[in-house]
Amino acid sequence: DIQMTQSPSSLSASVGDRVTITCRASQSISSYLNWYQQKPGKAPKVLIYDASSLQSGVPSRFSGSGSGTDFTLTISSLQPEDFATYYCQQSYSIPYTFGQGTKLEIK
Amino acid sequence: QVQLVESGGGLVKPGGSLRLSCAASGFTFSDYYMSWIRQAPGKGLEWVSYISSSGSTIYYADSVKGRFTISRDNAKNSLYLQMNSLRAEDTAVYYCAREPVYWGQGTLVTVSS
Repeated sequence: DIQMTQSPSSLSASVGDRVTITCRASQSISSYLNWYQQKPGKAPKVLIYDASSLQSGVPSRFSGSGSGTDFTLTISSLQPEDFATYYCQQSYSIPYTFGQGTKLEIK
Repeated sequence: QVQLVESGGGLVKPGGSLRLSCAASGFTFSDYYMSWIRQAPGKGLEWVSYISSSGSTIYYADSVKGRFTISRDNAKNSLYLQMNSLRAEDTAVYYCAREPVYWGQGTLVTVSS
């Protein structure tokens, strides 16, 4: 199975900050990488698919980059509604494994 | 609009069984593969199972292989997860998903004596 490792596991930041979350795959997954946002009690919401494609309706302050084994999710200017937990997921090979999550908290 | 609605969760004793259902609407269900994904309380997301659009190809996570069975009825636009020999560690919210965009609201399965 492909292991997905996110860093950091948690992050404190302020409104307006630029934030980067990284995700590393244990083997190359080309660009088969999704990023999700999850708020308490809610289902995950996809932000980015295929490593860098912004899902329709997602604000442009979210962006994704990377290919192969190393990926990043960047939020250019944090908004209050962005405080949540973020997960990466590889969709290269089954099982479609997730990273352990990054909890983004208000500083 | 696309909707996925899970049902069938509840409290079950260790060793017991439960069948989850997911009713799909708003899209041509038979055109898409579907998945079950779970989340234990306070934990991360765990992919559980996959079924192809026709139902001919199925995969399971090692943690549920031999105990869970995924199936679908394309005529009824429905996805199922039969869960047998349940363990405490199967306690989680179970989501059906048309990955990556569409997810249901989840149904809670609690395995406890």
